[in-house]
Amino acid sequence: EPEVTQTPSHQVTQMGQEVILRCVPISNHLYFYWYRQILGQKVEFLVSFYNNEISEKSEIFDDQFSVERPDGSNFTLKIRSTKLEDSAMYFCARERDRNTGELFFGEGSRLTVL
Amino acid sequence: RKEVEQDPGPFNVPEGATVAFNCTYSNSASQSFFWYRQDCRKEPKLLMSVYSSGNEDGRFTAQLNRASQYISLLIRDSKLSDSATYLCVVNDGSSASKIIFGSGTRLSIRP
Repeated sequence: EPEVTQTPSHQVTQMGQEVILRCVPISNHLYFYWYRQILGQKVEFLVSFYNNEISEKSEIFDDQFSVERPDGSNFTLKIRSTKLEDSAMYFCARERDRNTGELFFGEGSRLTVL
Repeated sequence: RKEVEQDPGPFNVPEGATVAFNCTYSNSASQSFFWYRQDCRKEPKLLMSVYSSGNEDGRFTAQLNRASQYISLLIRDSKLSDSATYLCVVNDGSSASKIIFGSGTRLSIRP
């Protein structure tokens, strides 16, 4: 059983549309991350979220991206105006302990932008 | 030089064979090292941490050579189910953005 549950598993959207990807942790952890993996490429860090705030973000995580924890449990990644190059797998992950590198990923949300 | 570099493969070996992958990293300050396994279109899953003294988990053995800045993974008696992409991950411990993934080595085990 996955440590985190992600929805949707696959979303197809038109360029310019807004997309919200959701992550639901099974246990109560403080540190969460969003990663992206473009097909055939490596896993890339997007943003870390600690104690209801963004802790760190990469250069990929520009103004088109935002993260929230709207109801104290779910985490959301929002892409405001999708571009073709946003097509990728998006993984939510938690870490055993902060900055250890031992990550436990959700099953991912595949985003296809047409 | 790439931060974490792996031979992309694919490695195509018969069932029962022993196969080894290497990974090199550029940051000498890196503190922790891991191998993850990723099946096609699935999430990465932590396979094992890599300790300075080397460590073994069943058929899997991981080694770290800090002086040469490389990590290895050895799989003995390979099974069909070992077919996957193996990701080398390096962390300097300072922040989440410093958990760096390699591009992975593809392994295909044939009957």
